[in-house]
Amino acid sequence: DAGVTQSPTHLIKTRGQQVTLRCSPKSGHDTVSWYQQALGQGPQFIFQYYEEEERQRGNFPDRFSGHQFPNYSSELNVNALLLGDSALYLCASSPGISRPYEQYFGPGTRLTVT
Amino acid sequence: DAKTTQPPSMDCAEGRAANLPCNHSTISGNEYVYWYRQIHSQGPQYIIHGLKNNETNEMASLIITEDRKSSTLILPHATLRDTAVYYCIVREHGSGNTGKLIFGQGTTLQVKP
Repeated sequence: DAGVTQSPTHLIKTRGQQVTLRCSPKSGHDTVSWYQQALGQGPQFIFQYYEEEERQRGNFPDRFSGHQFPNYSSELNVNALLLGDSALYLCASSPGISRPYEQYFGPGTRLTVT
Repeated sequence: DAKTTQPPSMDCAEGRAANLPCNHSTISGNEYVYWYRQIHSQGPQYIIHGLKNNETNEMASLIITEDRKSSTLILPHATLRDTAVYYCIVREHGSGNTGKLIFGQGTTLQVKP
């Protein structure tokens, strides 16, 4: 049973560029959340998708946007990259609204903005 | 949301039980206690959760005090692979919840040979 997968594993971008990160949830999971983890800090919630809609959003600017596809996979897009966007981006899936906090995380995408 | 307090770091000898405390004195009746851990360079891993009864699974046991103001995660026979940051998170179940996990600083557990 494949767990949560994310791509790419590492990415280097320049300030002002745009980036798209991808996530495939664990089999049977329909809810996907995205988190940002800066070095030495705990993960910070960005947003969550369920039924192809954003259900809740954390304290992140509109430069951060997302999408969920009919097969439950998801993308995180970040526009106009800033140096401070350098972080590990984590995707987590959960088996539905009955178990919302039982989340399974992928290995993350390490984004470096130069 | 109830605030949690954890010690920043703990050591444990390999093969011994690791007991990780968490204080959540302002927890409300519908809030569950969740534990996650994050091994270096990996995504967080769900361990266990509970409301008021003690819980056990293949990874760990969760002991919640009767007043629910604190809890302890127990790894019965710690191994070197259990070295990680352990997060105690309190979240409310109910209509409208969306699964937003709020991670604090956690406890860095170092298992030593």
